[in-house]
Amino acid sequence: GNSVTQMEGPVTLSEEAFLTINCTYTATGYPSLFWYVQYPGEGLQLLLKATKADDKGSNKGFEATYRKETTSFHLEKGSVQVSDSAVYFCALTGGGYSGGGADGLTFGKGTHLIIQP
Amino acid sequence: KAGVTQTPRYLIKTRGQQVTLSCSPISGHRSVSWYQQTPGQGLQFLFEYFSETQRNKGNFPGRFSGRQFSNSRSEMNVSTLELGDSALYLCASSTGGRQAIYEKLFFGSGTQLSVL
Repeated sequence: GNSVTQMEGPVTLSEEAFLTINCTYTATGYPSLFWYVQYPGEGLQLLLKATKADDKGSNKGFEATYRKETTSFHLEKGSVQVSDSAVYFCALTGGGYSGGGADGLTFGKGTHLIIQP
Repeated sequence: KAGVTQTPRYLIKTRGQQVTLSCSPISGHRSVSWYQQTPGQGLQFLFEYFSETQRNKGNFPGRFSGRQFSNSRSEMNVSTLELGDSALYLCASSTGGRQAIYEKLFFGSGTQLSVL
């Protein structure tokens, strides 16, 4: 079945540091890939997505490139801010009828990011 | 536009009881999905409803069930609660159309269920 592996953290960085959160996946077919973010006390929000190989998703200074050859979708940001402190989830869907796909979204365990001023 | 609303926000039950959680999707959204979030297992897909029909289902026992009403509101029910059912239950809505794999899910803030 589908699976997503990501570092769980916590990852602690200083403000303006460069961020990389690694995400690798196992899936059959051609999945769509997502990064979701969960701020304290809130539900998950879509951060960015990529639906085919070599696509780059970007939003709010975050970027991730769909690498089929390495089955990876690493999240990067050039200069993090305190407000970026949250839990980040890498996810995939194998396609199907809903935004969740035939088996729903498959999530990684989440990476807790802490940005210190 | 109002977001996805889940009620109640917190719930405390004892083993053996049953519980019903409610989710109101964004207006116009016809698909509602449910996820269980625990520290150990992370986020796991429970099921998805579209136009009052269960369209997809995850690997959970039959104690977990759901339904969707004609106004797209959804409820999930857990019977014979076990300690391991303690979790944050998240609901997500989307338009649910055929191209929806390219669409995003909108998540609610969740219902925190504690089983004692």
